[in-house]
This record gives sequence, structure tokens and C-alpha cells, in this order.
Amino acid sequence: EDQVTQSPEALRLQEGESSSLNCSYTVSGLRGLFWYRQDPGKGPEFLFTLYSAGEEKEKERLKATLTKKESFLHITAPKPEDSATYLCAVQERDTGFQKLVFGTGTRLLVSP
Amino acid sequence: GAVVSQHPSWVICKSGTSVKIECRSLDFQATTMFWYRQFPKQSLMLMATSNEGSKATYEQGVEKDKFLINHASLTLSTLTVTSAHPEDSSFYICSAYTSGNTYEQYFGPGTRLTVT
Repeated sequence: EDQVTQSPEALRLQEGESSSLNCSYTVSGLRGLFWYRQDPGKGPEFLFTLYSAGEEKEKERLKATLTKKESFLHITAPKPEDSATYLCAVQERDTGFQKLVFGTGTRLLVSP
Repeated sequence: GAVVSQHPSWVICKSGTSVKIECRSLDFQATTMFWYRQFPKQSLMLMATSNEGSKATYEQGVEKDKFLINHASLTLSTLTVTSAHPEDSSFYICSAYTSGNTYEQYFGPGTRLTVT
């Protein structure tokens, strides 16, 4: 069974204090690993898809990396508007219906 | 691009009544749509997967007679919660997928259901 574990559960940073969020996964064959951002009371917003170990993607202050067992979401010089819950999800290669399995998320709070 | 809408954004209903939630892909055709449920401070739990013109595939433990899903077109899927009870109160989110070179799912804004 596919499993996704995210750590830490919650993270409080000062504005400008860089850090990383972790997503560990177990899947029989990875088709893709996805990062989403979710604000309270809203649906997840797509950030990145990573397909193979060694792949990296960047968007503004965020950078996602992937190994065979985990992914990191690096946040450089965060701002208060980066406060949100960050969700990681995996999709198994042989899943016919593109099913996503989500982790429980990391709640990030960036203080000014 | 890749915008998904949901209607209504919130609904309050009385116990025993039914509620319908709509999910629309606004600027693309969704070959597959997914319905999730999210309880406070918990992650998204997949309820069912639907393909246009086919019966939905429900996850283990989800009552298909209680949560009716219809995917009548490539841009519209509906979730009907029948005979709702207070324990069905939750945040319901849909996502849509279209076949192509990538595998991203795009999510709607969610519907907050409160059953009194």
C-alpha cells in the first residue's frame, strides 16, 4: 500500500528564515510526486510535479527536489504570505485512474 | 488555465435531506474527476473516481448509495449526499484530470457542508 509521511507537522519561521519540508514515500512504482499548497478553507493549489530521482523544480521562493525515497520542499527567505499547509502526494505508475495518495501536510507559519 | 469550480461553496442542510454539489472544469475537458473529503486539520481522503459516461469507482469504506456521483459530461461531475447526517459534515473537494503529457490534478475551491 502506498504511504506518504510528511514532517514536520507544523513549522514556525521568522520572515527570511529558510527551511525545508520533508515528504517520505513508499510506492511500488512512482509515476509522479506532487506538491500542493492549501490555504484554510480552500482547495489545494498545484505547485510542482516531480517524476524521477534527481529532478528539481523551482518557483519563486520554493524549490522541490526528489530522491528515490523522499522529496524536499525548500523555502528560501520566506514571507508571511507563504504561510499555508503544504501537501505532498504520490501517484503510482500502474494506477489506471491517476489516483493520488496524500500525506497529512506541513502547516507553515511565517511571522513578520 | 486549468480552472475548476465548485458550487455551492458552502451549504447547511437538515438531517435526512439530500445535497448536491457540482464540480466543473472551466477551461479544459476532464476525462477523470475525483471527489475528496477533508476533516479539520486532516489531509484529503479520496472518496471516489469518476470517468465521463461511466460508473464511479468508490474507495473502500465509502458508501456508494449514500454518496452518488454522476459524471455526465467532460466538464461536469456532481456529488449528491443522500439522507445526510451530522457526521457527513465536512469539506468536500473535487479535482479534475485531463490526459496529456503531465499527470497533474487541478482542485476546486471546496464545498463546506454542515448538517444540522
